Amino acid sequence: QKEVEQNSGPLSVPEGAIASLNCTYSDRGSQSFFWYRQYSGKSPELIMFIYSNGDKEDGRFTAQLNKASQYVSLLIRDSQPSDSATYLCAVIIEPLGTGANNLFFGTGTRLTVIP
Amino acid sequence: KAGVTQTPRYLIKTRGQQVTLSCSPISGHRSVSWYQQTPGQGLQFLFEYFSETQRNKGNFPGRFSGRQFSNSRSEMNVSTLELGDSALYLCASSPGLTFSTDTQYFGPGTRLTVL
Repeated sequence: QKEVEQNSGPLSVPEGAIASLNCTYSDRGSQSFFWYRQYSGKSPELIMFIYSNGDKEDGRFTAQLNKASQYVSLLIRDSQPSDSATYLCAVIIEPLGTGANNLFFGTGTRLTVIP
Repeated sequence: KAGVTQTPRYLIKTRGQQVTLSCSPISGHRSVSWYQQTPGQGLQFLFEYFSETQRNKGNFPGRFSGRQFSNSRSEMNVSTLELGDSALYLCASSPGLTFSTDTQYFGPGTRLTVL
């Protein structure tokens, strides 16, 4: 089982709709989670960082974390064509006894917002 | 404020050679992390340096190493290059430890081709 799994999509939503991106992770001990956005041919950008169960909102973006079910999601409200990109979920995992964290990425979900 | 800069932007090497990539973080940022991105494996975390010390690391062989200087600039070295090392190498900087902050900025990357 991969450490982080995402539906690769593509996910298409109409402009103005809510886009829902999901991610599951395998290590129950994981504590911190990230969402990145990457436009085609560009470097990733960090959108959200969440470590507490529940919702974290930042503008049109809401990250949701459910540690019991081991999933983290990203909601984009009022989707815009400029939101069309690949969204990467990442999870911090600390291998036992190493004292060093490793960051695992999902393969990304490609989102297209249709005008 | 200048962004994260990486040099060189493009590099072609042959198998067995070694390569050194450089990253200059945003002024005032103390953490530099390195990533490898390939079409097959996606985005993978290599390691993070903070205050000249490696703090976190991914699952890469010892051929991949790095260091950070007192001015926070960082270098990454890959020895005995293999064809599979062909990738986009990204660095990112953060004001604090990467994994405890939602502030992280990526550079444009160095495209390494191994022939």
